[in-house]
Amino acid sequence: GAGVSQSPRYKVAKRGQDVALRCDPISGHVSLFWYQQALGQGPEFLTYFQNEAQLDKSGLPSDRFFAERPEGSVSTLKIQRTQQEDSAVYLCASSPFQFPTEAFFGQGTRLTVV
Amino acid sequence: QQQVKQSPQSLIVQKGGISIINCAYENTAFDYFPWYQQFPGKGPALLIAIRPDVSEKKEGRFTISFNKSAKQFSLHIMDSQPGDSATYFCAARGSQGNLIFGKGTKLSVKP
Repeated sequence: GAGVSQSPRYKVAKRGQDVALRCDPISGHVSLFWYQQALGQGPEFLTYFQNEAQLDKSGLPSDRFFAERPEGSVSTLKIQRTQQEDSAVYLCASSPFQFPTEAFFGQGTRLTVV
Repeated sequence: QQQVKQSPQSLIVQKGGISIINCAYENTAFDYFPWYQQFPGKGPALLIAIRPDVSEKKEGRFTISFNKSAKQFSLHIMDSQPGDSATYFCAARGSQGNLIFGKGTKLSVKP
């Protein structure tokens, strides 16, 4: 595909359940970001990869959140023991540069924890 | 601590009017300032961006004004159209390359 692809588009999880959100960046893009966007809010930074290296994970809200990009392309954001406050849209973005100017966003995964 | 403060939260403008959205930042290490546009159900998309060594950048109807000493920047949308109705986010790039976003401004352009 031409753009950043995220799956699933929608996820409903029961409280306490583990979830995995997938991001397929644009082919060849070096940088990859994860953001959390609550309803009516701006994207909040979670974590940042350059290739397979996780350069910054300072935005991950708790140790229940874990992200990986083992081969420098596809990335997975995992949330363990989901809580209601985890309900949000999770956005993935990628950029062709190590020090990105434009970041291309996917449509996001809307996670609802019930 | 909110690193990028954006105002107003919402804005209603008549068709043909000028829309103005303001942002302020504290961290002088920020080195790149983009604006993103987001439609419902979509991810944000880059609209226009500026570096701090430039005071103004214009692309079509969109202009960024940048005041480095005041640590403020703004987006002006000239001749606003109903199709411009969306949520706009300012952002700033940190030293690691990550983008820090403002909370957004919901713009409605009335016909």
